[in-house]
Amino acid sequence: DAGITQSPRHKVTETGTPVTLRCHQTENHRYMYWYRQDPGHGLRLIHYSYGVKDTDKGEVSDGYSVSRSKTEDFLLTLESATSSQTSVYFCAISQGNYGYTFGSGTRLTVV
Amino acid sequence: KNEVEQSPQNLTAQEGEFITINCSYSVGISALHWLQQHPGGGIVSLFMLSSGKKKHGRLIATINIQEKHSSLHITASHPRDSAVYICAVRPRTSQGGSEKLVFGKGTKLTVNP
Repeated sequence: DAGITQSPRHKVTETGTPVTLRCHQTENHRYMYWYRQDPGHGLRLIHYSYGVKDTDKGEVSDGYSVSRSKTEDFLLTLESATSSQTSVYFCAISQGNYGYTFGSGTRLTVV
Repeated sequence: KNEVEQSPQNLTAQEGEFITINCSYSVGISALHWLQQHPGGGIVSLFMLSSGKKKHGRLIATINIQEKHSSLHITASHPRDSAVYICAVRPRTSQGGSEKLVFGKGTKLTVNP
């Protein structure tokens, strides 16, 4: 199984503060993704990366930025957190014909 | 209207029953994925399909590309199968497949002992 780790697992932060979530993989996969999961909406793509310094927007990218300076790390930043960004965030990697592997998720609460 | 529709939204079964979850989609696809999410848990990839049928243990997934429909079957269901099952499609593009998966909203399955 591909090693994929998200940190932190849980975070409570105040409105207006910056927050960075980290996704780390151990197997050099090219494609990495950030999703958010909300009741009634299912999983929605925030941003994805197809290589170091190569990223693209998903359907709900407003208020989020990403960076990938190394193959193994994909960072998601909320520049100024809002209550609407309270969600569960999942990182994922693509393993080609073997499908996707998801991280364990980060539960973020913005108060 | 979501491009990926799952039915039913909720399903309750008795242990041992045969379960079917359906997924219909409206776009051309390069692949379809079935995922499983246990309560409070992470997401696990069950199947990736582009045609035909796949089987892992008691789980079977089928896809009909012409009808834009896929089914996930669970034989001899067990309480540990209780989870949310999510269908996702990879839309087809001129370069092959989009990186932007489109997800259904999931089917919540409860299997009672």
